[in-house]
Amino acid sequence: GAVVSQHPSWVICKSGTSVKIECRSLDFQATTMFWYRQFPKQSLMLMATSNEGSKATYEQGVEKDKFLINHASLTLSTLTVTSAHPEDSSFYICSARDFSGTYNEQFFGPGTRLTVL
Amino acid sequence: GDSVTQMEGPVTLSEEAFLTINCTYTATGYPSLFWYVQYPGEGLQLLLKATKADDKGSNKGFEATYRKETTSFHLEKGSVQVSDSAVYFCALRSSTLGRLYFGRGTQLTVWP
Repeated sequence: GAVVSQHPSWVICKSGTSVKIECRSLDFQATTMFWYRQFPKQSLMLMATSNEGSKATYEQGVEKDKFLINHASLTLSTLTVTSAHPEDSSFYICSARDFSGTYNEQFFGPGTRLTVL
Repeated sequence: GDSVTQMEGPVTLSEEAFLTINCTYTATGYPSLFWYVQYPGEGLQLLLKATKADDKGSNKGFEATYRKETTSFHLEKGSVQVSDSAVYFCALRSSTLGRLYFGRGTQLTVWP
């Protein structure tokens, strides 16, 4: 199957700083990328869906100004957590889907563990 | 709206025991159904899927059958191994919107 990478795999930051997480599709072009948040022992919560070259669509209750998503190319999407606070600590997982090519399926990155002190 | 209800864990089994994790769904139209597995510290991996009623998905000894009459997609394995210890998520993809809806996940621990 296709591979989706995330960087960094873990990050620790101070409260009030911003953190950027990268998500890359390594061997396919991702027309759509998804960002999820996973709390301990809970399911994945879809935060937003982004299509290459257009603004992300955020799920209800997700602050678009706090979680900035950029999908500038068919292989890269970034999630920036702005002015991070301890309650933003979580496991963030991206997923990429190629609707039109070989992989008409959704593939998941390994996740990024964010800890805000 | 579309949703997935998954058997709550944790599930603890001895090696070679039989595994069943129940999953039922609510959806309009004809969704595709999935089981994903998440090993400790990792992201999700697709385990198996079924795209229409009566389809059976299988992989690595795991099986699940898409039952439209009972709106279920239960995961089974005849003989679990220690290496199967992970969190298992049932999910559906709406045929209209294309997004995935996940169950809450079931933690499986297999003891030698």
